[in-house]
Amino acid sequence: KAGVTQTPRYLIKTRGQQVTLSCSPISGHRSVSWYQQTPGQGLQFLFEYFSETQRNKGNFPGRFSGRQFSNSRSEMNVSTLELGDSALYLCASSLAPPTSGGNTGELFFGEGSRLTVL
Amino acid sequence: AQTVTQSQPEMSVQEAETVTLSCTYDTSESNYYLFWYKQPPSRQMILVIRQEAYKQQNATENRFSVNFQKAAKSFSLKISDSQLGDTAMYFCALTSYDKVIFGPGTSLSVIP
Repeated sequence: KAGVTQTPRYLIKTRGQQVTLSCSPISGHRSVSWYQQTPGQGLQFLFEYFSETQRNKGNFPGRFSGRQFSNSRSEMNVSTLELGDSALYLCASSLAPPTSGGNTGELFFGEGSRLTVL
Repeated sequence: AQTVTQSQPEMSVQEAETVTLSCTYDTSESNYYLFWYKQPPSRQMILVIRQEAYKQQNATENRFSVNFQKAAKSFSLKISDSQLGDTAMYFCALTSYDKVIFGPGTSLSVIP
């Protein structure tokens, strides 16, 4: 069974640009959640999607947005990039939303997309 | 507000020894779940162990076990017979109905 696939793995952008990251979940998983990982702030929850609906959102500005498609693939977009957006963006899939807890809320992570903003 | 704290930024342990990683949390929710995730260097994060808050029995997975003290809001991870492959960042996480909160992580080095 293929794991969680994130593309691109690495990218470099300049301030003011926008970026779109993609995540393909494990087959059969309908929940996708996104996290930002930085040395200073650790892992922070961005969004959670289940069956194309955003269930929860973390404390990030409106420049961060996402969506989920009918095949459960998800994208996240960051507009008007700032230097502080440089981070490893992790996607995780699960059978059920992680906030539902339990066995079905176990997160399976991708390798991440490392974004550098210059 | 819900918080997860890991007070040990870095730890080291000799191979074959036992080490305990600390995690404390705060939540007003009655229904929540606790997890330990492991992130090896340049590799994907994987689940180590989970604990349902309503279960009093401590979870165990092979060499990994937890000490869950609900009243104290403490959820420590014990790794027995440490192996070189246990070298990684370890994150404690709490999930409730609307949030997933990760602790800052503990970097564990297993020394041969």
